[in-house]
Amino acid sequence: EDKVVQSPLSLVVHEGDTVTLNCSYEVTNFRSLLWYKQEKKAPTFLFMLTSSGIEKKSGRLSSILDKKELFSILNITATQTGDSAVYLCAVGPVTGTASKLTFGTGTRLQVTL
Amino acid sequence: DGGITQSPKYLFRKEGQNVTLSCEQNLNHDAMYWYRQDPGQGLRLIYYSQIVNDFQKGDIAEGYSVSREKKESFPLTVTSAQKNPTAFYLCASSTTSRSDTQYFGPGTRLTVL
Repeated sequence: EDKVVQSPLSLVVHEGDTVTLNCSYEVTNFRSLLWYKQEKKAPTFLFMLTSSGIEKKSGRLSSILDKKELFSILNITATQTGDSAVYLCAVGPVTGTASKLTFGTGTRLQVTL
Repeated sequence: DGGITQSPKYLFRKEGQNVTLSCEQNLNHDAMYWYRQDPGQGLRLIYYSQIVNDFQKGDIAEGYSVSREKKESFPLTVTSAQKNPTAFYLCASSTTSRSDTQYFGPGTRLTVL
């Protein structure tokens, strides 16, 4: 059974701190790993990683994938209160022709003043 | 504005009643998905559709049904056979069934009394 594990489950940081969120996976025929940010409703897409060792970056957020060790990290530097959300990791295996994502339970990040 | 809409935002139903959740997209995406999100759990796939008039069961399809008569629409019916229907339901779409980047609607929170 495909499995995605995120850690920590939750954390509280002060504005300006740097945080690292972890995602490890056991998936048959791995194809891609995705990060989403979920505030109150719809998860919004952040990154998709398919190749090992390549960093994807967008402003203060960055992510890297290690296909050998089967994990990814999401870094957020100089955190702001607007970064408070649940961060979801999902993995997309090759299953026939359809993309079926397997999600982790998420990391709840709270950024305080 | 292109996007995915779900209605209603909140839905209350009595036990034993069927209920249909709406999902519409104007992104011209081929593939659409339904997920269920429960507290402390990741998103779990209920049904997905790669093209019009075709759909497949996900990991937790029991007690649910779908149709895909139009490209833009993928309604989900929660039947009385679903033993624990109270949850947050998310609809998503992707450009094709091979694309792992899924875009989500705002969700419907269903409460069965």
